[in-house]
Amino acid sequence: DTGVSQNPRHKITKRGQNVTFRCDPISEHNRLYWYRQTLGQGPEFLTYFQNEAQLEKSRLLSDRFSAERPKGSFSTLEIQRTEQGDSAMYLCASDTGAGCYTFGSGTRLTVV
Amino acid sequence: AQSVTQLDSQVPVFEEAPVELRCNYSSSVSVYLFWYVQYPNQGLQLLLKYLSGSTLVKGINGFEAEFNKSQTSFHLRKPSVHISDTAEYFCAVSVVEKLTFGTGTRLTIIP
Repeated sequence: DTGVSQNPRHKITKRGQNVTFRCDPISEHNRLYWYRQTLGQGPEFLTYFQNEAQLEKSRLLSDRFSAERPKGSFSTLEIQRTEQGDSAMYLCASDTGAGCYTFGSGTRLTVV
Repeated sequence: AQSVTQLDSQVPVFEEAPVELRCNYSSSVSVYLFWYVQYPNQGLQLLLKYLSGSTLVKGINGFEAEFNKSQTSFHLRKPSVHISDTAEYFCAVSVVEKLTFGTGTRLTIIP
């Protein structure tokens, strides 16, 4: 399968715990994006990487959120001290820069 | 900054009837336009996109959309829907890198 892979698919965590999600993009795609989607809403941009460089971060990305893409391959999104408002679907997408975005199946986070 | 408005949050349609899902955008520069479909608990699947060229774009599953620059619209159409088209549909625009999405339209097919 050469699509975008996200793990885990589901994560339930207690408020205050840290969580980390992983995204493996399509190998030849140099751009990688993270989006957050809450119930009944469209996805909202969080951040994106070109290769290993993080080029833009949304104001939605508070100090508790951090994303990395070491060596320009897979990416991780970490949320520290989770809050109930962090409950959402976290989507990863990759792109060659020519408008060919491909999305993964997402990680659904539930903070209890 | 760009924005996307999907005028209908829910659209019920009888099976085999035609459907149009409306999308309007706002941007001060030229944009790329996209329609995505999302099935329950899944990611987004690209239906079609407009980057340049012909304003009538054909996509997967029998969908098509027409870019209208003067009306800043990119409405999605299908001449005859099936039960399997039941899903959430998102219109999105891209200026340079990131996509900006609308709030989505839930398409429900009535048997």
